[in-house]
Amino acid sequence: KAGVTQTPRYLIKTRGQQVTLSCSPISGHRSVSWYQQTPGQGLQFLFEYFSETQRNKGNFPGRFSGRQFSNSRSEMNVSTLELGDSALYLCASSLGTDGLNTEAFFGQGTRLTVV
Amino acid sequence: DQQVKQNSPSLSVQEGRISILNCDYTNSMFDYFLWYKKYPAEGPTFLISISSIKDKNEDGRFTVFLNKSAKHLSLHIVPSQPGDSAVYFCAANRDDKIIFGKGTRLHILP
Repeated sequence: KAGVTQTPRYLIKTRGQQVTLSCSPISGHRSVSWYQQTPGQGLQFLFEYFSETQRNKGNFPGRFSGRQFSNSRSEMNVSTLELGDSALYLCASSLGTDGLNTEAFFGQGTRLTVV
Repeated sequence: DQQVKQNSPSLSVQEGRISILNCDYTNSMFDYFLWYKKYPAEGPTFLISISSIKDKNEDGRFTVFLNKSAKHLSLHIVPSQPGDSAVYFCAANRDDKIIFGKGTRLHILP
């Protein structure tokens, strides 16, 4: 079956702009999580959506937001971009159902560079 | 507050020997522990997991050990192969929230 698809793969934006990243999860998966990876901080959890509702949230400023659609596809938005937002943004999908082994399957990520 | 800690940023192991990657956690309520492997420019891929009710899980060359009293788990790779060179992330799961450690870069030396 098709894996997790993230678009675009690469993006260059200037400070102050906003950006929207997209993630299509594995068919049947209802949970989508977003992570930011930087060399110094490793993988940091941004937020998780399940059935169109934000279920968990990490410690990121309000400039980072997301949403999930009825088909489980998710978008992440970052407004007023800062240089420090340059990172690899990873999306992960999982079944999201309690009681099951909910290992996450990752997309290849979107490399965002803010200049 | 880092709930999942991988204290070794990097590790070098001779090809054919055993690689041991360690991970500590602080929250005793985690249900599952997972290991992910990541190559450059790719997303992490799931490697092996262990339920909090078990103390060992094996899959081929990979074995994960869980010591709940010490809140410690480790991944053993035997024998180590060149293709094992990657960053390994330890992760813990509770209520579908997966928390990752910062990763350990494993170098397999020829």
